[in-house]
Amino acid sequence: QQKVQQSPESLTVSEGAMASLNCTFSDGTSNNFRWYRQHSAKGLEVLVSIFSDGEKEEGRFTAHLNRANLHVSLHIREPQPSDSAVYLCAVRNTGKLTFGDGTVLTVKP
Amino acid sequence: ETAVFQTPNYHVTQVGNEVSFNCKQTLGHDTMYWYKQDSKKLLKIMFSYNNKQLIVNETVPRRFSPQSSDKAHLNLRIKSVEPEDSAVYLCASSWVNQDTQYFGPGTRLLVL
Repeated sequence: QQKVQQSPESLTVSEGAMASLNCTFSDGTSNNFRWYRQHSAKGLEVLVSIFSDGEKEEGRFTAHLNRANLHVSLHIREPQPSDSAVYLCAVRNTGKLTFGDGTVLTVKP
Repeated sequence: ETAVFQTPNYHVTQVGNEVSFNCKQTLGHDTMYWYKQDSKKLLKIMFSYNNKQLIVNETVPRRFSPQSSDKAHLNLRIKSVEPEDSAVYLCASSWVNQDTQYFGPGTRLLVL
């Protein structure tokens, strides 16, 4: 059964400093990786999807996938207080989607 | 009126009972979702359903199952509810691969 783990559990950064979030997964056949953002009491917002090793940039959000290391990360450039939210990693294989427990990001002005 | 409709608004039941929640969307979307909202107001996705393809969050217990008759309806059944199932269950819909989801008002479940 796929296991998806995120770290750190919570992260506080200053406005403008790079924020880096990590996600590890257990099934090396996984082929679709997404990072979501969830503001309190709202739905999920897709930030970036990545399907092959390397980097994928969407605005200030960059995902980096290394399937050999079973690792996908999210880097947020110049984070702002409005980026404070829960960030969820989701890994898909054979039609099943597994979410991590999330990282709570707080961006201080 | 085009929107996402959920029934019931509120349901109280006892441990071990079976419950079903209904969701209907009149927005013409092809994808529907069920979320569980916990006491901290965080939403956890449970299922998404698109063109008869079900995508399941594997952390969801097996007593939960979605049921769909067509792309406008996605119901949620819980066999043998447990106290930790007490929460608000939110239904949403969207076009596939589009980020904007439209949410229903939610069904609040209380398990005694």
